[in-house]
Amino acid sequence: AQTVTQSQPEMSVQEAETVTLSCTYDTSESDYYLFWYKQPPSRQMILVIRQEAYKQQNATENRFSVNFQKAAKSFSLKISDSQLGDAAMYFCAYRSAYYGGSQGNLIFGKGTKLSVKP
Amino acid sequence: GAVVSQHPSRVICKSGTSVKIECRSLDFQATTMFWYRQFPKKSLMLMATSNEGSKATYEQGVEKDKFLINHASLTLSTLTVTSAHPEDSSFYICSARDQGGTDTQYFGPGTRLTVL
Repeated sequence: AQTVTQSQPEMSVQEAETVTLSCTYDTSESDYYLFWYKQPPSRQMILVIRQEAYKQQNATENRFSVNFQKAAKSFSLKISDSQLGDAAMYFCAYRSAYYGGSQGNLIFGKGTKLSVKP
Repeated sequence: GAVVSQHPSRVICKSGTSVKIECRSLDFQATTMFWYRQFPKKSLMLMATSNEGSKATYEQGVEKDKFLINHASLTLSTLTVTSAHPEDSSFYICSARDQGGTDTQYFGPGTRLTVL
């Protein structure tokens, strides 16, 4: 079974600085997707960034980028120029590319609470 | 991105009553929707996978007779908590899988259920 581990329960960053959130996963599959979701205090889950395992190029979305290391099964999220609105819980998630019985459900890590200091 | 709505956002009910929560994909069709439960300061726990036109698939330990799921159309799935008890109080979140385009799951805003 696949697992996702986020080893940092809480992180803090100064406004305008850069922070990196860690995520590792375990799988025997070769094709899959990885995601970072943000959950602000409103509790609405928001997709931040997505990475296809077959792509070597790291995904980027404006201030958000990932460092995807497939061999190491690592998928970290870098937030540049941190803003107060970035404060939230961040969840790393895995999804198999082989639907079968799972039908594409996400496997989540336990989350990292990010605080942004003004 | 795609939009998923969830209704109601908050519900308070008496023990023993049933509560229905609706999840709608507003601008895409979703053959598959997912229902999660989230405890305070915890991650999302998958309860069941809802498939349009067929029976839902429940995760181990989730009572299918207590948490009834219906996915009658490509844009609507409902979760009914039957004979609710205080231990069912939680935050319930649905997501819908947009199989076109990027094949990504989009989440509803969640429903806070409080059973008195």
